Amino acid sequence: AAGVIQSPRHLIKEKRETATLKCYPIPRHDTVYWYQQGPGQDPQFLISFYEKMQSDKGSIPDRFSAQQFSDYHSELNMSSLELGDSALYFCASSLGVSGSWGSYNEQFFGPGTRLTVL
Amino acid sequence: KNQVEQSPQSLIILEGKNCTLQCNYTVSPFSNLRWYKQDTGRGPVSLTIMTFSENTKSNGRYTATLDADTKQSSLHITASQLSDSASYICVVSDLNFGNEKLTFGTGTRLTIIP
Repeated sequence: AAGVIQSPRHLIKEKRETATLKCYPIPRHDTVYWYQQGPGQDPQFLISFYEKMQSDKGSIPDRFSAQQFSDYHSELNMSSLELGDSALYFCASSLGVSGSWGSYNEQFFGPGTRLTVL
Repeated sequence: KNQVEQSPQSLIILEGKNCTLQCNYTVSPFSNLRWYKQDTGRGPVSLTIMTFSENTKSNGRYTATLDADTKQSSLHITASQLSDSASYICVVSDLNFGNEKLTFGTGTRLTIIP
């Protein structure tokens, strides 16, 4: 079965450079979530999109921006990179957002992009 | 503030033995609880998802329990294998006005030794 695809898998940048991470959700999934996982830490929610519109916002720095395109893929743009941005960046996708109590839409995670800022 | 706490932080057991991982949460409103397995440097992979009405759920050698009253969950692994070595993360989902948000636990690092 098709899974969430992220590219690139590894990225090395220098301080103050920019980076763009891409996420391709599972076919027919319309919701994309971005997470940042630092070394030895649990994933932190950054931002999510439903039907190409921002649906929720977490701890995403102002230096970062993201969008979801008409084909539902999403890109996370990171500018003025700092050493502390070095982390694993996960994308997850789901089919819609649950609207009734007790039901859910499972988030499927991609393999992640490892960003190293030197 | 929503929180998910897991114990133990790390666990080492012999291959073939059983083990139980614990998860306590304070998340409101509660929608569902998930257990993920995460290999180092890889994305989390879902093991089970449980809503408040489900007490136990199995997936092969993995059995999860949920007590929504005490806000506790456990993940029991039977007949452990070397490939079970990974981090096991308890994740609780809330559902507020149609937006779902996941709160991640810090995980239990499980090491299986031959």
